Formats: sequence, C-alpha cells, structure tokens
Amino acid sequence: ETGVTQTPRHLVMGMTNKKSLKCEQHLGHNAMYWYKQSAKKPLELMFVYNFKEQTENNSVPSRFSPECPNSSHLFLHLHTLQPEDSALYLCASSQGSAGTAKNIQYFGAGTRLSVL
Amino acid sequence: AQSVSQHNHHVILSEAASLELGCNYSYGGTVNLFWYVQYPGQHLQLLLKYFSGDPLVKGIKGFEAEFIKSKFSFNLRKPSVQWSDTAEYFCAVNGGDYGNNRLAFGKGNQVVVIP
Repeated sequence: ETGVTQTPRHLVMGMTNKKSLKCEQHLGHNAMYWYKQSAKKPLELMFVYNFKEQTENNSVPSRFSPECPNSSHLFLHLHTLQPEDSALYLCASSQGSAGTAKNIQYFGAGTRLSVL
Repeated sequence: AQSVSQHNHHVILSEAASLELGCNYSYGGTVNLFWYVQYPGQHLQLLLKYFSGDPLVKGIKGFEAEFIKSKFSFNLRKPSVQWSDTAEYFCAVNGGDYGNNRLAFGKGNQVVVIP
C-alpha cells in the first residue's frame, strides 16, 4: 500500500451518466494530482492541487471537474463523458507544494474507467 | 515543454539476462529524475530517483540508473533480471522551468521476463 487509496477500482458508465472518482491520502501530504493513463501514451497530468487550491489545469475538458475539499481528499466528477475518455485514472500526492525541490509523488492504484 | 523518450516499448528477455532501459529528456536545466515501476495489477511505485550528487543511483530490487547530463539521459539497468521483474517501467522528469510539481512521463517500457 502506498498510502493513497482510490475508489472505485473499476467503473463503467454511459455517456449521459454522472459519476465521481475518489482519492484519499494518509501521508500528510500537501499536494494532490490527477493523471490519465491511456494505452500506448505517456501519463497525462490533468490537475494539480496545493493546499486545497487548484494550481494547474492541463487543458482538461470541462466534462472533468475536480474537487479538493481538504488536503487529504481529491475527487474527480465526471459527466457526459465520451468513449475516448476510457482510461486508467491515477491519483497521486506529494509532500511538497509547487516549487518544492525533491518532490516525490506517490500513486494510488487507479480507477479503470470504461465509457460506453 | 518537457518531453521524455523511452525506446523499445516491448522488451522480452530470459531470467538472469541483463536489462537496460533508455530514457532521454529534453529540458536542459536542473532536473529531478525518477524511474517508476508498475507491476501487473498494481500501483506505480518509485524504483529510484536522482536529485543531485553521485550520478549513479541505486534503487530497490537491484536496479540502478546513471544520470549523464551531457546526454540528457537517465538509463535504468539491472545486471540479472528475475521473473518477478516483469512489469512496466516509466521514466519521469520534473524541475526547472517545468516546475517541481509537473512530472513528465515517458510512454513506458513493457518488460516481460521468461522463466
């Protein structure tokens, strides 16, 4: 276990559904991240939160809506997704905030999302 | 923007063979370098990292990597692999103008070790 827990592990949803992914870290970290991992492509950074504030949105479509109520929890709200959004969504956390050197990220096991 | 290149996406080798995975990055300033491993069905785990100092770094499970600044490279090596090393390996970079929060990943190397 990495101390970063993601639920659910698997999710199947239709294009008209609304669902949410949850990430919780038990490491006392200040920064949290969402990544998208698609087959044959590098991990894509989606969002970065530092001390609950969003510091980065990597041109992610608005059908993905993140929420960070506190430093330990991160959500990704999904609505009207497309089949090409099917992927593994990874959450990560790190101790440091933006600009901190030696910033090691710890990853959760991911949510495997299938959009039908 | 930072980019990370990993070649030979699929690697198949026998137990006890030596493994070397290449990683090249584009940013010319000060960087932090990482190798992560993802075993089948498991989360990404940090294998080793380089921040500064000795360019030859040793990680878990007998892996090591060498940072060669002049070549913008951070290649991963293991002298003798085991079946349990079957996994996907990702090189990642952050730092400099790219920022310490932004980890740029390569596409990964799928390594299969045949018993």
